[in-house]
Amino acid sequence: DTGVSQNPRHKITKRGQNVTFRCDPISEHNRLYWYRQTLGQGPEFLTYFQNEAQLEKSRLLSDRFSAERPKGSFSTLEIQRTEQGDSAMYLCASSGPGSYEQYFGPGTRLTVT
Amino acid sequence: EDQVTQSPEALRLQEGESSSLNCSYTVSGLRGLFWYRQDPGKGPEFLFTLYSAGEEKEKERLKATLTKKESFLHITAPKPEDSATYLCAVFSSGNTGKLIFGQGTTLQVKP
Repeated sequence: DTGVSQNPRHKITKRGQNVTFRCDPISEHNRLYWYRQTLGQGPEFLTYFQNEAQLEKSRLLSDRFSAERPKGSFSTLEIQRTEQGDSAMYLCASSGPGSYEQYFGPGTRLTVT
Repeated sequence: EDQVTQSPEALRLQEGESSSLNCSYTVSGLRGLFWYRQDPGKGPEFLFTLYSAGEEKEKERLKATLTKKESFLHITAPKPEDSATYLCAVFSSGNTGKLIFGQGTTLQVKP
């Protein structure tokens, strides 16, 4: 399978704990995006990388959130001191050079208890 | 501010009963409008990209059209396996790369 992959698929954590998610984009896709989706809503943009550079961050991305793409390949999204409001599906997408089409991974479902 | 509104929120059809889903948008310079299909618990699956008014794209029982203010996803003779949430998103000249999504239309096709 050469699509976008995300790990883990599900994560249950207690409030106050830190969590980290990983995204592996489609090979040779230079752009990588993180979105968050809650029940009944469309995905909301969090942040965007072109190669290893983080080019845009949403106001939704509080100081507790940090994302990296150290070598322009996979990316990680870390949430520190999780809150119940962080419970959501975290989606990763990637797109290739010169294309606006974004292809999504299966998502990571986070539940904060 | 870019906005996308989809209607209806939910749609129930009998198998074979054709219908249309609407996506209205307000953007500062449309560079692309996208349709995705999302099954429960899964990530969105890319369906179509439309770039300019008058453009149409087709895939099996689905046909997407675009005007200067809205897009329609026409579903012809739907089958139960077409049941899913359909998401519309826009990419505008005011953005560096992010998509702005509507809230989606949840389609249920009964046999």
